Amino acid sequence: GAGVSQSPSNKVTEKGKDVELRCDPISGHTALYWYRQSLGQGLEFLIYFQGNSAPDKSGLPSDRFSAERTGGSVSTLTIQRTQQEDSAVYLCASSRTSGRAYMNEQFFGPGTRLTVL
Amino acid sequence: AQKVTQAQTEISVVEKEDVTLDCVYETRDTTYYLFWYKQPPSGELVFLIRRNSFDEQNEISGRYSWNFQKSTSSFNFTITASQVVDSAVYFCALSAGTIQGAQKLVFGQGTRLTINP
Repeated sequence: GAGVSQSPSNKVTEKGKDVELRCDPISGHTALYWYRQSLGQGLEFLIYFQGNSAPDKSGLPSDRFSAERTGGSVSTLTIQRTQQEDSAVYLCASSRTSGRAYMNEQFFGPGTRLTVL
Repeated sequence: AQKVTQAQTEISVVEKEDVTLDCVYETRDTTYYLFWYKQPPSGELVFLIRRNSFDEQNEISGRYSWNFQKSTSSFNFTITASQVVDSAVYFCALSAGTIQGAQKLVFGQGTRLTINP
């Protein structure tokens, strides 16, 4: 497709279970980002990938959160032992990377709404 | 540290009125980028505009215009002759820093704009 896609669109899980969220970036975009949107915290940065490496993981809230990216394309965000405070919409974005590193706008996917019961 | 403040939580106007959304940012970096995104009820963030810190020219795109003033650290967004389809949550965001990971976006809390017919 032409845009960023994410799956699943909705995920309901029980406290303590692990979940995996998937992101397919726009073809050719080398940079990929995960954000979280919740009522109390607004839009928060989680992690940034350039290719398959993650130079900035500063936004991951705890060691229960991890992410990987393979083949410079698809990324998976994993939350282990989910807690109720993990309930949020998880957004993925991608962008081109140019020599001028700060220029590029990020294109966002529709998000995965995670509900932890 | 970077920070974006959107002091207006909610704005409600009647169709055809002009409306301005305020955005104030904080950063110590001399090179930075500012963005506006629109989040309609469908939930997907839509990119509207990007400006860099070296270009203070105002920009107009149809009914949308942006006023960037470094002296007041503001990047305000005006919709002229508003329409019901403009109803959405609007986010101002900042990207700054001197390392590659600085591409992450720092978002304001958003302004919910409602245009009434």
